[in-house]
Amino acid sequence: QVQLKETGPDLVQLTQTLSITCTVSGFSLTTYNVHWVRQPPGKGLEWMGAMWNGGGTDYNSAFKSRLSISRDTSKSQVFLKMNSLQTDDTAKYFCARHVITTYGDYFDYWGQGVMVTVSS
Amino acid sequence: DIQMTQSPASLSASLEEIVTITCKASQGIDDYLSWYQQKPGKSPQLLIYDATSLADGVPSRFSGSRSGTQYSLKISRPQVDDSGIYYCLQSYSTPFTFGSGTKLEIK
Repeated sequence: QVQLKETGPDLVQLTQTLSITCTVSGFSLTTYNVHWVRQPPGKGLEWMGAMWNGGGTDYNSAFKSRLSISRDTSKSQVFLKMNSLQTDDTAKYFCARHVITTYGDYFDYWGQGVMVTVSS
Repeated sequence: DIQMTQSPASLSASLEEIVTITCKASQGIDDYLSWYQQKPGKSPQLLIYDATSLADGVPSRFSGSRSGTQYSLKISRPQVDDSGIYYCLQSYSTPFTFGSGTKLEIK
């Protein structure tokens, strides 16, 4: 069955780099896209970026050049790296599978998310 | 970037009502619009895609519609279990953008 699971640190120090891994199963990264979405505590959802099935990436410019998304298809893993963390980067980080069909596109499966706190 | 203006921010409804949540896009998005429900501590769950298509396993009391650049999610005769936060998402162009969310309480 389709699953996505995020793994990463609970706590990251101010100005340091965040690294999160999304390990997927039940589908291939060369067939489906995987996106990253984050949610600060008590707030809404924010799209961060995408790893397209062809290997290209897209980023939300709100993160300027701090954000990097990559993958290892042999391990079915997508990686998020974000540097220069600030306290407002405290959030739950989700990866989600993005499906594109003739009838539309959508996020059909999500990981459970990993809550990351940026501490000074 | 495309802005999605979602309203209301919160609402409370009874089991007999019809609930309507709207998202207005700042420009045309060609029905690249999906709706998600999120329960506390959980991941969002897909309800509607392509503005009007019901996702697999979603009860038929949920429906989506469009008028111009305004998209609506309707819940007819909601159940208590429909309480949660609802988000719209435009995927017409990157950056994808979510609405700000609607917190729904079913009394």
